[in-house]
Parts: sequence; structure tokens; C-alpha cells
Amino acid sequence: DQQVKQNSPSLSVQEGRISILNCDYTNSMFDYFLWYKKYPAEGPTFLISISSIKDKNEDGRFTVFLNKSAKHLSLHIVPSQPGDSAVYFCAASGGDDKIIFGKGTRLHILP
Amino acid sequence: EADIYQTPRYLVIGTGKKITLECSQTMGHDKMYWYQQDPGMELHLIHYSYGVNSTEKGDLSSESTVSRIRTEHFPLTLESARPSHTSQYLCASSLNPYEQFFGPGTRLTVL
Repeated sequence: DQQVKQNSPSLSVQEGRISILNCDYTNSMFDYFLWYKKYPAEGPTFLISISSIKDKNEDGRFTVFLNKSAKHLSLHIVPSQPGDSAVYFCAASGGDDKIIFGKGTRLHILP
Repeated sequence: EADIYQTPRYLVIGTGKKITLECSQTMGHDKMYWYQQDPGMELHLIHYSYGVNSTEKGDLSSESTVSRIRTEHFPLTLESARPSHTSQYLCASSLNPYEQFFGPGTRLTVL
């Protein structure tokens, strides 16, 4: 039973436009949400996070939005750049030092 | 430079062999983790450690074992490899539970 769901396996976006990656979760006890980015043949790298007490967190071109009532979060990348092409994992934690990951969304930035 | 290392990067081995996947970090992190990931799937936590002489099983049942004799070293061992063990194995460490630093992974193929 997946607790963190990324329903879009892949997404293609034109360079310079906005990329929006979506994630749904089922466990209302999660108190921290994260996005990780993964290039081929490398391990995932931490990108941005948000606490459950906030609804938005911004870091440069990356913004994460949290809608607790809908159990939904999204990652916005503006403007999208070629180096953003990667697999993005949504993840969540319930305060027990463990992270639950989604299956990932492969983002392709088109020239 | 602080980092996390995994060796070997790729391993092809026959059924029944004993293997050890190495993981070392130079960041002095107490928390370390092993994940298993199949292509297009989520990362599944198989083992974790809060410090020296501390090891716990993760959410995904695994026939592998781990040890933590030194802070910087967290090896994973399979006593008798089987084709069902074919997967990518990712090691991570962290200071806090959310921002985990991942190694490049070991891609294991058991024939």
C-alpha cells in the first residue's frame, strides 16, 4: 500500500517554462515532506523540504506547495533549465527518522 | 571533502555466492541507511542504524544483514545471493532524519 504516490511517471516541459511535479500522500501523520532529485548512475540528492505547519517553501527556482486538506504537494521549477532533467522523488517522514519515497517522476526539459 | 562512498558500483555474481556491499561516509553522521530500488519503483528502506552497534531492519523484508562497528562504515552482506536479490542498493547517511546524503549506489545482478 503506497503511502506516497507520484502518478505521473514522466513529464516533458519546454526550457524556460514552468515544471510542476505532483505528489499525493495517504498518511495524515506525516509531518515533513521532501523532494529529492536523481541523475542516472548517481544517488538521490536532497532538493527542498517543507514542514507540515507551512503551505509553501521557496528556494531559488524551486518552490514546494503543501495542501494538507487534500494531502497533496507539488514542486514548481521556474524557469526550467536543461540541467533540471532528472528523476524527482517525493518523500515524507512521520518523525521516526525514516523517509517514505514515491516512485519518482522523470522530468525531460526540451530545448 | 565530506562524502559517502559505495563499492563496488556494479557487481555481477552467480547464485549462492556470498557478497558484501561496502558503504563509507566521511561526514561523521550517526544515522546510516540502506535502501533497495528496482527501476521505476520507490526506494525501500531495508536496514538502518542510529550509531555504532545499532542496527534495525527497515520496512522491506530483506535477507541481507548489516553491521556498524565504526561510525563511518556500514557494510551490507548477502550470505547466499539469489536472482531475486538483483536490484540497486543505495546507502545514505544523515545528521537529521530529513536531509539524507546518498552514495552512488551498487547495481547488483545475480545470475
